[in-house]
Amino acid sequence: DAGITQSPRHKVTETGTPVTLRCHQTENHRYMYWYRQDPGHGLRLIHYSYGVKDTDKGEVSDGYSVSRSKTEDFLLTLESATSSQTSVYFCAIEDTAGRGTEAFFGQGTRLTVV
Amino acid sequence: AQSVTQPDIHITVSEGASLELRCNYSYGATPYLFWYVQSPGQGLQLLLKYFSGDTLVQGIKGFEAEFKRSQSSFNLRKPSVHWSDAAEYFCAVGVRTGNQFYFGTGTSLTVIP
Repeated sequence: DAGITQSPRHKVTETGTPVTLRCHQTENHRYMYWYRQDPGHGLRLIHYSYGVKDTDKGEVSDGYSVSRSKTEDFLLTLESATSSQTSVYFCAIEDTAGRGTEAFFGQGTRLTVV
Repeated sequence: AQSVTQPDIHITVSEGASLELRCNYSYGATPYLFWYVQSPGQGLQLLLKYFSGDTLVQGIKGFEAEFKRSQSSFNLRKPSVHWSDAAEYFCAVGVRTGNQFYFGTGTSLTVIP
């Protein structure tokens, strides 16, 4: 299994508070991703990173920011959490095998904003 | 724009019966194609992938999928379903430019004895 650790695994927070989720990898992969999973929507890309300090927006990036100061860590921050950000968040890393790519996923973080 | 469609939100099959989960994609070039499985409370596990070459790909747990370019489809099949196959299944497209992945909305599989 790919070495991906998400923390925390569960969090309940209040509307308007900042929240940071952490994704840590031990695989030294270049690409890292943050997705959110909601019923009826599948997984939607929030932000991704293609290297240290190199990040870009996905399709649902509003209200989220990311940082990657080290290869192994990719942080997702909700600056001011809202109830619409209640979701399950997954981090993924990409294994570029040369002939193609595949993504490996963490176990997810269940975030509830009350 | 890239998109993935899984037309079946939920499927119920009897244990031992065959299974086919549908996936259609929209992408201007030849994509990378994937099927993932997610058990309750778990992350996504890769079942199989298609990059190029043989259009029939074999995966783990007895699953296979066939890439049909003319139909823009990548359907997942299994000849005999086991109760442990009950899970959520996601089809995904990998885009070569930008290394991004696009997921379908998932198909929930229930297996009845």
